Amino acid sequence: DIQMTQSPSSLSAAVGDTVTITCRASRAITNYLAWFQQKPGKAPKSLIYAVSILESGVPSRFSGSGYGTDFTLTISSLQPEDFATYYCQQYYSYPLTFGGGTKVDIK
Amino acid sequence: EVELVESGGGLVQPGGSLRLSCAASGFTFSNSVMNWVRQAPGKGPEWVSSIGSSGSTSDYADSVKGRFTISRDNSKNTLYLQMYSLRVEDTAIYYCTKVERFESWGQGTLVTVSS
Repeated sequence: DIQMTQSPSSLSAAVGDTVTITCRASRAITNYLAWFQQKPGKAPKSLIYAVSILESGVPSRFSGSGYGTDFTLTISSLQPEDFATYYCQQYYSYPLTFGGGTKVDIK
Repeated sequence: EVELVESGGGLVQPGGSLRLSCAASGFTFSNSVMNWVRQAPGKGPEWVSSIGSSGSTSDYADSVKGRFTISRDNSKNTLYLQMYSLRVEDTAIYYCTKVERFESWGQGTLVTVSS
């Protein structure tokens, strides 16, 4: 099984800050990496797939990078609606697996 | 617009059974791999099972293998999850999702396993 390790598990940031979340796969997954945002009481929402492709409607302040085993989600100029929990997920092989999540809250 | 609507959740005793359904619309269901993903209270999402577009292939998490069965009816645009021998640790919100990268999610249906 491919383990996905996210860091940090939580962070505090202010509106306008730039935030970076990392995700490491236990073995290479090429570019089969997606990022999700989840707000309390809601289903996760797909933000990015194939490492860096934004889903339709996702603001351009979200970006993704990486290849192989190391990946990054960056949120530039954090907005109030961005405070949420973020998960990475690999879809390179079964079982499909998620990272442990990063909770972004208000400083 | 893609819409996924889950149903069938509820309270069940340990050892019991339940069948979840997911009604899909807004896309060509018969062309899409479909999945069930669950999320226990206060935990992250966990992949449960996937089924190929024709229904001839499927895969399961080890935690549910032998107890859960995924199926689909492409004529009804509906995905199913038959759950047997339910355990307390199966308590979660169960989401229906589209394709392997979980492009779209339903609102979820809550399954509570408790005596």
